[in-house]
Amino acid sequence: NAGVTQTPKFQVLKTGQSMTLQCAQDMNHEYMSWYRQDPGMGLRLIHYSVGAGITDQGEVPNGYNVSRSTTEDFPLRLLSAAPSQTSVYFCASSFTGSGANVLTFGAGSRLTVL
Amino acid sequence: AQRVTQPEKLLSVFKGAPVELKCNYSYSGSPELFWYVQYSRQRLQLLLRHISRESIKGFTADLNKGETSFHLKKPFAQEEDSAMYYCALKGGSNYKLTFGKGTLLTVNP
Repeated sequence: NAGVTQTPKFQVLKTGQSMTLQCAQDMNHEYMSWYRQDPGMGLRLIHYSVGAGITDQGEVPNGYNVSRSTTEDFPLRLLSAAPSQTSVYFCASSFTGSGANVLTFGAGSRLTVL
Repeated sequence: AQRVTQPEKLLSVFKGAPVELKCNYSYSGSPELFWYVQYSRQRLQLLLRHISRESIKGFTADLNKGETSFHLKKPFAQEEDSAMYYCALKGGSNYKLTFGKGTLLTVNP
């Protein structure tokens, strides 16, 4: 049982490049989400999903795309990277029933956009 | 709209002293409140949730709806409590969790 696995751990991009942050969980959680963590800003929700085929926007969705084709995977795509997207990204998942919002977090992906 | 305010970015106490990390929220309905913690080089993890009404690692938090607060308290801080603490709010029937900006607690020897 690996929990929530994020790849890559570190990535450096140039402005305008695109990339995908991968997130996979093996706990059969229905809910998956992406947060970004910035100094002094805390954790801000980017996108979330309550099941395969269902996604919705969080607080700061601009510049990011998501899809949920399987229960296990929830990739985050940066379409055209900007320096403002330099951040640490966390994927988190939970059940949607009585365990809702008891989030299990991944280890984080540190992204630098030059 | 739902909002979580943690007024202290940094909090420094000595070992054995009481500690209180403040959390205030804004939400018109009945919220669920949580405290998450991130120790150095570890993943973010749940510390406690108000509906459980339990004490974890000596920490407790009581939901005060009148003052819209969910302060985290521990009577005797330990060095291993040094970490970043986030208060979080779930409002309504959606699953979105709104986090505060966090408080970095340092417990000095």
